[in-house]
Amino acid sequence: SQQGEEDPQALSIQEGENATMNCSYKTSINNLQWYRQNSGRGLVHLILIRSNEREKHSGRLRVTLDTSKKSSSLLITASRAADTASYFCATDPTVQGAQKLVFGQGTRLTINP
Amino acid sequence: KAGVTQTPRYLIKTRGQQVTLSCSPISGHRSVSWYQQTPGQGLQFLFEYFSETQRNKGNFPGRFSGRQFSNSRSEMNVSTLELGDSALYLCASSFYRSSYNEQFFGPGTRLTVL
Repeated sequence: SQQGEEDPQALSIQEGENATMNCSYKTSINNLQWYRQNSGRGLVHLILIRSNEREKHSGRLRVTLDTSKKSSSLLITASRAADTASYFCATDPTVQGAQKLVFGQGTRLTINP
Repeated sequence: KAGVTQTPRYLIKTRGQQVTLSCSPISGHRSVSWYQQTPGQGLQFLFEYFSETQRNKGNFPGRFSGRQFSNSRSEMNVSTLELGDSALYLCASSFYRSSYNEQFFGPGTRLTVL
């Protein structure tokens, strides 16, 4: 089963609004990454947050990590039509020998003009 | 720097055939990971190669194999294709191990098995 579970599975908002997506995971991690995928294409890395970090910013993106709740959130502020995409969280489990990224099922974000 | 390239971009095969997909990482990157993406299962890790050695493998049957060359280019092979192998196959490269830092993804190879 997937390590990360994104919530919601789909989100539709108006341009200019903020979008928040959540990711929950099951085991302890070294870091968590967020990626964006435009329809049927390759993934683009957005942010990496390490287990000892609580919050990170990059432009209009803000990521939080709560290791006690095993959850992370991605906030996109002042959304634009170009933000329409699927967003995935990926975790790096601390389980010995894992050392691989485990992706969630993703949140499909639609920005309406 | 040129991005990650994958060839071919589209492929149609029939059941029982085999297929080889190629991935050229970003220059200087030593790690190449492969993923399978399907609507039902999402993104699933296949394997990771680092310095020509397979460092990790996902839960896929032995029909899925790969290798990495000295120039870091990687190939994956799927033998005895099944209908369920139809998917988008993505490769990603990074300078060091895939889970330590960001990965750069290629556009993918869309494989259709008839």
